[in-house]
Formats: sequence, C-alpha cells, structure tokens
Amino acid sequence: AQTVTQSQPEMSVQEAETVTLSCTYDTSENNYYLFWYKQPPSRQMILVIRQEAYKQQNATENRFSVNFQKAAKSFSLKISDSQLGDTAMYFCAFMKPLSGNTPLVFGKGTRLSVIA
Amino acid sequence: EPEVTQTPSHQVTQMGQEVILRCVPISNHLYFYWYRQILGQKVEFLVSFYNNEISEKSEIFDDQFSVERPDGSNFTLKIRSTKLEDSAMYFCAGGGTPYEQYFGPGTRLTVT
Repeated sequence: AQTVTQSQPEMSVQEAETVTLSCTYDTSENNYYLFWYKQPPSRQMILVIRQEAYKQQNATENRFSVNFQKAAKSFSLKISDSQLGDTAMYFCAFMKPLSGNTPLVFGKGTRLSVIA
Repeated sequence: EPEVTQTPSHQVTQMGQEVILRCVPISNHLYFYWYRQILGQKVEFLVSFYNNEISEKSEIFDDQFSVERPDGSNFTLKIRSTKLEDSAMYFCAGGGTPYEQYFGPGTRLTVT
C-alpha cells in the first residue's frame, strides 16, 4: 500500500518570504500522480498543484511550485512571496495509476502559519 | 466558476440515527468520491463512484454506509445508524477525469 509522509507538523514563515514544505511517499508504481491540497480554517480542501510522475518538469502555479525527485520519492512544495492568506493546513497526496477512479492517499498535513 | 456544493454544512444527530449527506457535483464531472476527516487527523478515503456504481471502497465503508446518485445530479452518502466515532468532516469530491479531484466545502457531522 502507498504511504505519504509529511515530516513537518507545523511551520511558520514571515510574510513575503519563501517556505518549503516536505513530502515523501512510498510506492512501487512507476506512473502516478502527486498533489498538494490547501485546507484553510474554513476546512475546505483546495487543490493547489498537481504533478504527473512521468513528467520530469516540475509543476508551477503562480507562487506555488514543486520539487519532484522521483528517485528519492520526494515531492516538496515551495511557496514564494508568502501571503497571510496562505495560512492553512497543507496536505500532500498520492494517486496510484489509473484503474478506474482511484482514491487519493493523504499525508497527515503540515500546518503553515504566515506571520505579518 | 462552478463549484462542488454540499449540504448541510453542519449536521448534529443522535447516536443510532440515520443521516444523509448531500453533494451536488459540477455538471461535467463523471468521477465521484467521499472522504472523511476526523478532527485533527488526515483525510481518509471512503468510497469512489463512477457510472452509477461503486468503483472502490475502503475498510471504513462498511454496511452502515451507502452511496447513491438518485436523480443524476445529487450524490448522497447515507449512514444508517450513526456511532460516536462517525463524527467527522465528510467531503465530497468530483472530477471530469480520474486524475483530478475537486472537493466540496464539507459537511461537519456531530454524533451525540
């Protein structure tokens, strides 16, 4: 079974600074998908970014980018120019190759606080 | 931009009662999921649904749970006889393809 590990329960960053959240996963699959979701205090789950394992290029979405190291099974999220609205729980998630609609496997999350 | 919606936002029920949680997916979504998140814990998969059938379910999704798409739009999760440990946030998610999942705002279920 796949597992996702987020080793940083909590992190903080000054506004406008850059922060990196780490995620590692364990799988024997070669093709899969990785995701970062944001959960603000409202508790809604918001998709931040997605990475296909077969793509070598790291995904980026505005201030959010990932560092995908397939051999190391590492998938970190970098938030540049941090804003107060980035304060949230961040969950890393794994999806195994498609055989029907497969579920997401989530890590335990990292609580990020952006400080003014 | 269309969004997944869920009702109610908060449901309080007594142990042993039946509850139905509702989700309205985005109209072009074909793949549907239910997840739950016990307070302070990670999000856990319950069940996936495609073409009016369950595709996959977790160990959590026992005989007390059922899903339906009664009218081709709404997507429901029923818990027949709630237990205290069913208290959690329940998220509906959907996607137009199998490799994207957009979540609704969740329903907070409190079992007393």
